[in-house]
Amino acid sequence: GENVEQHPSTLSVQEGDSAVIKCTYSDSASNYFPWYKQELGKGPQLIIDIRSNVGEKKDQRIAVTLNKTAKHFSLHITETQPEDSAVYFCAASEGGYSSASKIIFGSGTRLSIRP
Amino acid sequence: DVKVTQSSRYLVKRTGEKVFLECVQDMDHENMFWYRQDPGLGLRLIYFSYDVKMKEKGDIPEGYSVSREKKERFSLILESASTNQTSMYLCASSLQGSGSYEQYFGPGTRLTVT
Repeated sequence: GENVEQHPSTLSVQEGDSAVIKCTYSDSASNYFPWYKQELGKGPQLIIDIRSNVGEKKDQRIAVTLNKTAKHFSLHITETQPEDSAVYFCAASEGGYSSASKIIFGSGTRLSIRP
Repeated sequence: DVKVTQSSRYLVKRTGEKVFLECVQDMDHENMFWYRQDPGLGLRLIYFSYDVKMKEKGDIPEGYSVSREKKERFSLILESASTNQTSMYLCASSLQGSGSYEQYFGPGTRLTVT
């Protein structure tokens, strides 16, 4: 089955700097790659996703890149702000109906923004 | 807004007790999921359901069962709680056939088994 590895497990950056979180996946059939953000005391929430027919997607200060050949995908946050402090999860899915959109999550990255 | 609610935020149970964790979603989603979250292990899928009375095992179903009698409600059952089931439990739901696979999560139940 699918296996998703995520690095680093913790990341501390100065406010205003950029943060990058990297993930690899094992199953070449995966075609949907979401990123979830979990704030303290809350459940994870989708912040951005990318499908396998796209190499890059951007939404304001966050962007995701996907390299299908290398089975790598990354989350980039620019101009970091205190509210970006959270745990971030990457994930991969085949996205098929029969699997009920089953998603395999990475182990998470705790991002801290230093003032 | 989609709302997924879980019956308890914190729960303390004794070893051997039968434990019920309840999850309710209000957006008529077909799919519902139960995960457990442990530090360094991310979110691991326990069971999921894509229709009423339907269930499928996830990656770590041992020691758990589920029930889905109504579309909006998905229950996780620990038949005989053990200390290694101390964890954060997250419920999620998603819509089928919309082209979006977004899962909406509840706030979680932190279960401690003593």
